[in-house]
Amino acid sequence: DAGVIQSPRHEVTEMGQEVTLRCKPISGHDYLFWYRQTMMRGLELLIYFNNNVPIDDSGMPEDRFSAKMPNASFSTLKIQPSEPRDSAVYFCASSLQGSGNTIYFGEGSWLTVV
Amino acid sequence: GNSVTQMEGPVTLSEEAFLTINCTYTATGYPSLFWYVQYPGEGLQLLLKATKADDKGSNKGFEATYRKETTSFHLEKGSVQVSDSAVYFCALSERSFQKLVFGTGTRLLVSP
Repeated sequence: DAGVIQSPRHEVTEMGQEVTLRCKPISGHDYLFWYRQTMMRGLELLIYFNNNVPIDDSGMPEDRFSAKMPNASFSTLKIQPSEPRDSAVYFCASSLQGSGNTIYFGEGSWLTVV
Repeated sequence: GNSVTQMEGPVTLSEEAFLTINCTYTATGYPSLFWYVQYPGEGLQLLLKATKADDKGSNKGFEATYRKETTSFHLEKGSVQVSDSAVYFCALSERSFQKLVFGTGTRLLVSP
């Protein structure tokens, strides 16, 4: 089975540019999560969706960040405008309710904003 | 609120040594407990889990027992290998919620 698929794997962009990260969850999963990992703050939950509906976006750092899930097989995390402090690894993850709360992670999108 | 506390790293061991990484938690209900592993340059992978008190999760020689009385879920392995070098994350999720709360991670370095 294919796991959680993220793209791009690596992105280097200039400050002020728009960044879009993409995620395809595991087929059939009804929860989707976006996490951010940095050395300073560790793993932070940014937002999660249930059946394509955003449930908790309290972790989104500021209005420059937005996330959408237009259908069950696709989600985006957008940063506009990007800043150097947004440099991090962004993980998408998915899970299926009733599966013992096991969450499966993608390999991450490594973002560098210069 | 819910939280997870892990021992500070890095943990440095020689090959075939015994490993313990401590994890304690605070939760209002009856959480499920997890250990995830992150190898360099990769995402997190589920290593093992336990969903109720006294359950033991195990995988690839690693074990952890859900101890409700001490609110702990310590990770152990009897004989580590160089290939076990990675960052290990303890996490919990409340039964009725899907989202994970992670500890800060513990880096393990195993030398030949």
